[in-house]
Amino acid sequence: NAGVTQTPKFRVLKTGQSMTLLCAQDMNHEYMYWYRQDPGMGLRLIHYSVGEGTTAKGEVPDGYNVSRLKKQNFLLGLESAAPSQTSVYFCASGKTEAFFGQGTRLTVV
Amino acid sequence: DQQVKQNSPSLSVQEGRISILNCDYTNSMFDYFLWYKKYPAEGPTFLISISSIKDKNEDGRFTVFLNKSAKHLSLHIVPSQPGDSAVYFCAARNRISGSARQLTFGSGTQLTVLP
Repeated sequence: NAGVTQTPKFRVLKTGQSMTLLCAQDMNHEYMYWYRQDPGMGLRLIHYSVGEGTTAKGEVPDGYNVSRLKKQNFLLGLESAAPSQTSVYFCASGKTEAFFGQGTRLTVV
Repeated sequence: DQQVKQNSPSLSVQEGRISILNCDYTNSMFDYFLWYKKYPAEGPTFLISISSIKDKNEDGRFTVFLNKSAKHLSLHIVPSQPGDSAVYFCAARNRISGSARQLTFGSGTQLTVLP
């Protein structure tokens, strides 16, 4: 019963490096989301997808790109990492009562 | 400009007593409210929700109350147990957010239940 799985769980990047965070869900959900969690700010929506091949911007999209080539996968990319992108990233799927992955802790130095 | 506010960063209660977590919102277009629970190093898990057409929803030890006129909701946990110690996030859905059903989250309240 995997639910929502995020890869990797931890990562340290140097400023300017790029990386991709992978989210996979096995619940056949159409809706998938990427959030970031920062101290004192709750979870903020970065990008979301309402189905395979579709993506849209959330509240804080700058510096990130996403792709949803397969229904079960939602990728979050950082093209040129900045220290301000140090955060915990959560992927979620589901229409309203979203199911969350365990998170990716990213540090940009 | 936080549309969903949890003004208490932390709350401590004794085991067996009632825990009351509060949440205020400013956007009158929110039509659905949720509470999530988060343990360290894990993702948030859905706990309970309430539609704006109701004022109360109960699920076991957890009850959510909604006061639309005050734009306020609260989560009651009774009796509180040490395993309830976690961060609780309030979230709200905007009825005009289209098909995405986007949620706006509060900043969370750390609940500690003391044995």
